Amino acid sequence: AQKVTQAQTEISVVEKEDVTLDCVYETRDTTYYLFWYKQPPSGELVFLIRRNSFDEQNEISGRYSWNFQKSTSSFNFTITASQVVDSAVYFCALSDTGRRALTFGSGTRLQVQP
Amino acid sequence: DTEVTQTPKHLVMGMTNKKSLKCEQHMGHRAMYWYKQKAKKPPELMFVYSYEKLSINESVPSRFSPECPNSSLLNLHLHALQPEDSALYLCASSQLGQGFTYEQYFGPGTRLTVT
Repeated sequence: AQKVTQAQTEISVVEKEDVTLDCVYETRDTTYYLFWYKQPPSGELVFLIRRNSFDEQNEISGRYSWNFQKSTSSFNFTITASQVVDSAVYFCALSDTGRRALTFGSGTRLQVQP
Repeated sequence: DTEVTQTPKHLVMGMTNKKSLKCEQHMGHRAMYWYKQKAKKPPELMFVYSYEKLSINESVPSRFSPECPNSSLLNLHLHALQPEDSALYLCASSQLGQGFTYEQYFGPGTRLTVT
């Protein structure tokens, strides 16, 4: 069975601080995919990144960066110089290549104070 | 265009009503999904359609009935719901590829209240 753990329920930072959201996953599959989604107060889930199990390269996109480490089954997400617009719930998710269904973590609520 | 649209945005229905939620995408995606999300919880998968055929039903009660009339449309028919079915219902779509999992794009959701 697949499982995603986001141990941080809520994080509060002040604008311009860096913040890292943790994600730990469990799967018996050798090929799998990891995702991050953002859910602002409006409710719509916004896709941020997809990473497959064979690609451990870290990725940077503007203020966002992701660190994938298979050895520790982690896929952490860092926001550099956070902004108030980053306030949202962030979900880490896992999928295999068979069912293609997303298994979500419980989410981390990020509050960025001005 | 990575837009998935859902109607209505809000729906209030009684336990004896019949209503339908609609979802549409024009990205050429051949997989479509229904998720249910309760407050402060992650989305939970309900149904998956692949090439317009139901491929996954996560043991959802029969009072929820999905339908995929064509590759762009996905409906969720609701009948005799319970107050505990009140939630945000999210539709999503994705490409399909052999041995590959693509990201899912989500609509804004329908906030359903059952009275």
